[in-house]
Amino acid sequence: DTAVSQTPKYLVTQMGNDKSIKCEQNLGHDTMYWYKQDSKKFLKIMFSYNNKELIINETVPNRFSPKSPDKAHLNLHINSLELGDSAVYFCASSHGPGRGGDNEQFFGPGTRLTVL
Amino acid sequence: GDSVTQMEGPVTLSEEAFLTINCTYTATGYPSLFWYVQYPGEGLQLLLKATKADDKGSNKGFEATYRKETTSFHLEKGSVQVSDSAVYFCALRPDQGGKLIFGQGTELSVKP
Repeated sequence: DTAVSQTPKYLVTQMGNDKSIKCEQNLGHDTMYWYKQDSKKFLKIMFSYNNKELIINETVPNRFSPKSPDKAHLNLHINSLELGDSAVYFCASSHGPGRGGDNEQFFGPGTRLTVL
Repeated sequence: GDSVTQMEGPVTLSEEAFLTINCTYTATGYPSLFWYVQYPGEGLQLLLKATKADDKGSNKGFEATYRKETTSFHLEKGSVQVSDSAVYFCALRPDQGGKLIFGQGTELSVKP
């Protein structure tokens, strides 16, 4: 069973389009994250949700809107795509920070977004 | 703010060579430290971790020791294999939990 899954794996689209990436985890975690990996492989947090509530919102353009319908899902919608949005987007999940102990983050396989 | 700095790659080694990838960090409080590995075309996998000073994380022959006095968490392996070729990321999680802060990644290539 896949622990953290993302769809689609590859996404190629034109500038100006709107697209969504979906993430699901079956680990029973209550916290989920989106990270962006740029062309130089640098990874940076974008958002985090705990129990469907936004708890981390880094300096990300408001064209990016995360949505968490329940604890097991965290989707990322991107409006008006730009060339600079081309990257690999990773979803991750963990137990929340309040749990104490081991709250290791588990990563999905990534979604490679290419904006033409 | 908190940050992680890794030695730059790419690092190219012959099979059975000794590996060190340097990692230093800047953080307030007592962060947890991690090494993640990304094999070509795949997501990140946790390789090892340490949650307090002087802890040693180890897995698959890799080791790293949390050194608070030198704010370092260097990754070592005594004898690398071709299958260890990947990108290695050092990361910290602030002591209040939440997001991971990553270093820039170090690409390792092991030749037979």
